[in-house]
Amino acid sequence: DIQMTQSPSSLSASVGDRVTVTCRASRSISSYLNWYQQKPGKAPKLLIYAASSLQSGVPSRFSGSGSGTDFTLTISSLQPEDFATYYCQQSYNTQLTFGPGTKVDIK
Amino acid sequence: QVQLVQSGAEVKKPGSSVKVSCKASGGTFSTNTINWVRQAPGQGLEWMGRIIPIFGTINYAQKFQDRVTITADESTNNAYMELSSLRSDDTAVYYCARATDAYNRKGFDLWGQGTKVTVSS
Repeated sequence: DIQMTQSPSSLSASVGDRVTVTCRASRSISSYLNWYQQKPGKAPKLLIYAASSLQSGVPSRFSGSGSGTDFTLTISSLQPEDFATYYCQQSYNTQLTFGPGTKVDIK
Repeated sequence: QVQLVQSGAEVKKPGSSVKVSCKASGGTFSTNTINWVRQAPGQGLEWMGRIIPIFGTINYAQKFQDRVTITADESTNNAYMELSSLRSDDTAVYYCARATDAYNRKGFDLWGQGTKVTVSS
């Protein structure tokens, strides 16, 4: 299986901050990388697919980049509703795997 | 607007099986892929497997290969995930999630509300 790691595992930030979350795959996954946001007690929400494509309805302050093994999710100006846990997911092959998550909370 | 509506919470004994359903309400499965993902308390997301109902294509995560069965009934727009030989560490919220392409390359854009399964003696 392709292993996914994320860093940091958690971070504290303030409203208006620029936030970056990193995801790394154990081998090249081309651009087959998706990002999700999950709030407590809720189902995950798709933010970014194919590394950099913004899902319909998702605010433009979210962006994704990367290819191969290294990927980044950036929130350009953190809003109160963005405090959540973020997961990456590879969809390179038929054995999908998620990263362990990055929790973004209020400083 | 299609929604994925899952069956209700379950409490099961160790060694038994559970079958969770996921209904496409307000639409059909069409050519979509239905995935199953679980989340243990306080833990991350874990992909279990997927089915493309119109083609009957099924893939399972290697970890669950021997214990999970995913099926679908196109006539009723229901997908099912059955997990057998339940253990306490199978206690989790189980989600169904839709992908609009056959290879899951566009991510899971629609999720069910989740079904809490508790395994306890």
